[in-house]
Amino acid sequence: NAGVTQTPKFQVLKTGQSMTLQCAQDMNHEYMSWYRQDPGMGLRLIHYSVGAGITDQGEVPNGYNVSRSTTEDFPLRLLSAAPSQTSVYFCASSYSGGGFGQYFGPGTRLLVL
Amino acid sequence: AQTVTQSQPEMSVQEAETVTLSCTYDTSESNYYLFWYKQPPSRQMILVIRQEAYKQQNATENRFSVNFQKAAKSFSLKISDSQLGDTAMYFCAFMNGAYNNNDMRFGAGTRLTVKP
Repeated sequence: NAGVTQTPKFQVLKTGQSMTLQCAQDMNHEYMSWYRQDPGMGLRLIHYSVGAGITDQGEVPNGYNVSRSTTEDFPLRLLSAAPSQTSVYFCASSYSGGGFGQYFGPGTRLLVL
Repeated sequence: AQTVTQSQPEMSVQEAETVTLSCTYDTSESNYYLFWYKQPPSRQMILVIRQEAYKQQNATENRFSVNFQKAAKSFSLKISDSQLGDTAMYFCAFMNGAYNNNDMRFGAGTRLTVKP
């Protein structure tokens, strides 16, 4: 099992550009989430999904879009990148209920100039 | 909204000694889960230990154990026989136990340094 994979590992964007961060898992997990991690802060939830076709907003959803067409994939779209979106982005997945804890991907470092 | 507070930004401990990291949380829910995650310099998030709120018994995983005080809304992590590989950021996290909920909230983290 590859677990949770994220691409790219590092990306530089210019203000106003759009891009998609990819996330995939091969553990047949129903639940998936996107977080951002900024210096001095813990992870903050952006969006999450409890199954294909079902998504919901987290703590900091503005400027991001998600969809879940398959169990395996959960891409995160930045619609118009801003310097405030410079961060490290983590994708995570878990079994239904989430109480067993989440498995995290290695992260994507994003720099918006 | 639930909040998680880690009041110790940094801590250090000598190798082989014991250290306790603090975490408090605020919630009106009765059904929830608590977690401690470790983030070493590699940046990979690793689940250390989990606790179900309805279980009174404190969770243990080898050298890691928790002190769960539900009434006080406190969830501290004790690391025994500290090893150099325990050097990392440690995050406390809270998740509501409601069905179809995947909203996990993290504290700001404690940077732990294990000294030889």
